[in-house]
Amino acid sequence: DAKTTQPNSMESNEEEPVHLPCNHSTISGTDYIHWYRQLPSQGPEYVIHGLTSNVNNRMASLAIAEDRKSSTLILHRATLRDAAVYYCILRDVNNAGNMLTFGGGTRLMVKP
Amino acid sequence: GAGVSQSPSNKVTEKGKDVELRCDPISGHTALYWYRQSLGQGLEFLIYFQGNSAPDKSGLPSDRFSAERTGGSVSTLTIQRTQQEDSAVYLCASSRPRNQETQYFGPGTRLLVL
Repeated sequence: DAKTTQPNSMESNEEEPVHLPCNHSTISGTDYIHWYRQLPSQGPEYVIHGLTSNVNNRMASLAIAEDRKSSTLILHRATLRDAAVYYCILRDVNNAGNMLTFGGGTRLMVKP
Repeated sequence: GAGVSQSPSNKVTEKGKDVELRCDPISGHTALYWYRQSLGQGLEFLIYFQGNSAPDKSGLPSDRFSAERTGGSVSTLTIQRTQQEDSAVYLCASSRPRNQETQYFGPGTRLLVL
């Protein structure tokens, strides 16, 4: 799977929007962009995924650049419970193994 | 419904001993994965089961690690002759069989090898 690059950490104030960037300049046409997050002392949980178009769900929005070489996870109003490590992961639709390849992720700290 | 469960939640063992870690996937999920997360490190893939197909063992770090999945449901990860570097959180995930399906993770087993 293609590699992703994320900042090691970011800070946000509570109830403000957060934009978490991810670069994936070597993305292929068959790679979906997935985001998972891992809260302290828990297993990762799915957040959102997309291919080309921007996506919204109850947790977040995903903005995908037109050339697909980068994407941004948007939390519209950060809460203290959103403090976690956020992972941007590319998943190839042709990958029979289907496992997730985690990078270092971005540790989001939310200040009250 | 019930999520992925793992047991034990914590395990302390002595170097050289064998350990077994258990994973109960979500009912109906035919895909099951084991990952490992060492202290301060990211998650690394260990092994993948899909239905009755031969498992993908490409992530197992050594032949001391093995896993089985009985009856297409419960899975056991076994580490023989544990070493201190095996200390980590072992995470299990399950999903529906199709590509791009969401993986649902259990809470993990924290293994400490003294």
